[in-house]
Amino acid sequence: GDSVTQMEGPVTLSEEAFLTINCTYTATGYPSLFWYVQYPGEGLQLLLKATKADDKGSNKGFEATYRKETTSFHLEKGSVQVSDSAVYFCALLLNSGNTPLVFGKGTRLSVIA
Amino acid sequence: DTEVTQTPKHLVMGMTNKKSLKCEQHMGHRAMYWYKQKAKKPPELMFVYSYEKLSINESVPSRFSPECPNSSLLNLHLHALQPEDSALYLCASSSRLEQYFGPGTRLTVT
Repeated sequence: GDSVTQMEGPVTLSEEAFLTINCTYTATGYPSLFWYVQYPGEGLQLLLKATKADDKGSNKGFEATYRKETTSFHLEKGSVQVSDSAVYFCALLLNSGNTPLVFGKGTRLSVIA
Repeated sequence: DTEVTQTPKHLVMGMTNKKSLKCEQHMGHRAMYWYKQKAKKPPELMFVYSYEKLSINESVPSRFSPECPNSSLLNLHLHALQPEDSALYLCASSSRLEQYFGPGTRLTVT
């Protein structure tokens, strides 16, 4: 079945450090890929997305590139801030209109000043 | 506007109570979802509505009863819940290409 595997944290970084959170997927079709972020006590916010191979999603300094050859969608940010502390979920969606998201287990990021 | 709204934000209920969670979206999405999220876990799918009809029920206990009155609204009726049902309940809606979540209702069952 379809699945998403992401590195499990927690990940602790100093402010201005480089961030990579690895995400790989298995899917029977051609999924869209997403990163969601969940700040403490809140719901999930769509951070970025990519809908086909070689697409790069970007938002708020975060980037991820849809790599079909390695079935990966790694999240990167060049310089993290304390305000980036949150849980990050990688997810896939098969393009059929009413299918649910398939989530990875989530990676907790803590950024310290 | 990519907003999904949920009410209430917090809910405390006893095991004999009946309550309802509400969700609304005005993006014209025809698929709407209920997820349950426990602490430090990803969301787990409960129900999917497509064009106002229930299309997926992930073997959810009957004490949870979903309802889709129209294409913009989704309710989750709660009755005789157990303490282990305490969680964050998330509503979402989707187009073919992306899914948007509401802020959730944090439910505590006492």
